[in-house]
Amino acid sequence: QITLKESGPTLVKPTQTLTLTCTFSGFSLTTSAVGVGWIRQPPGKALEWLALVSWNDDKRYSPSLKSRLTITKDTSKSQVVLTMSNMHPVDTATYYCVHRDMNYYDGSGYYYFDHWGQGTLVTVSS
Amino acid sequence: DIQMTQSPSSLSASVGDRVTISCRTSQNISNFLNWYQQKPGKAPNLLIYAASSFQSGVPSRFSGSGSGTDFTLTISSLQAEDFATYYCQQSFTTFATFGGGTKVEIK
Repeated sequence: QITLKESGPTLVKPTQTLTLTCTFSGFSLTTSAVGVGWIRQPPGKALEWLALVSWNDDKRYSPSLKSRLTITKDTSKSQVVLTMSNMHPVDTATYYCVHRDMNYYDGSGYYYFDHWGQGTLVTVSS
Repeated sequence: DIQMTQSPSSLSASVGDRVTISCRTSQNISNFLNWYQQKPGKAPNLLIYAASSFQSGVPSRFSGSGSGTDFTLTISSLQAEDFATYYCQQSFTTFATFGGGTKVEIK
């Protein structure tokens, strides 16, 4: 059974750096094609993909936020950490940790987010 | 970025109705399209991947179709537990993008 759980501060001040930890179980981040990423959702708004780290330590970031984001993995602890610098009130959102898997058909890899953490609401306010 | 446009943004329907939700992309993504359901206060749940493949455990009343730039999620007979917000997401690029969501409400 795959589970993911986010942890970190619920309140950060503007200009501070946010550090979120995803602790997962039921899979290994050394398994081929597996990835763990972060997706956020401002209150009442749509989903926004932020970053992902793959089994081979390949790291990808949202182009619009790339300069502010860092994602790392610690396979021995089954954890993935996301840092986001220079937080602003518009960054107030629920942040989800997600498990990415892939299926292959006709030589193409189709990825999807099939397991999600419960989410953690981060409020940016002075 | 690949832009995702869902329509309608909301709809009202009754139990037993057939419901269709549209997702249009700004460029050809073949069939690299996923659908999610999100209930209030909960994380999204994967329904469909690769435009028409069922995720394990998803009821058969849900189906997906389309390719290229136009995709559809269909609920053949709406049930009470289906009232939720639905999102499409392209997986053509590593930089995933989501549609704005379609909220399905009770009429």
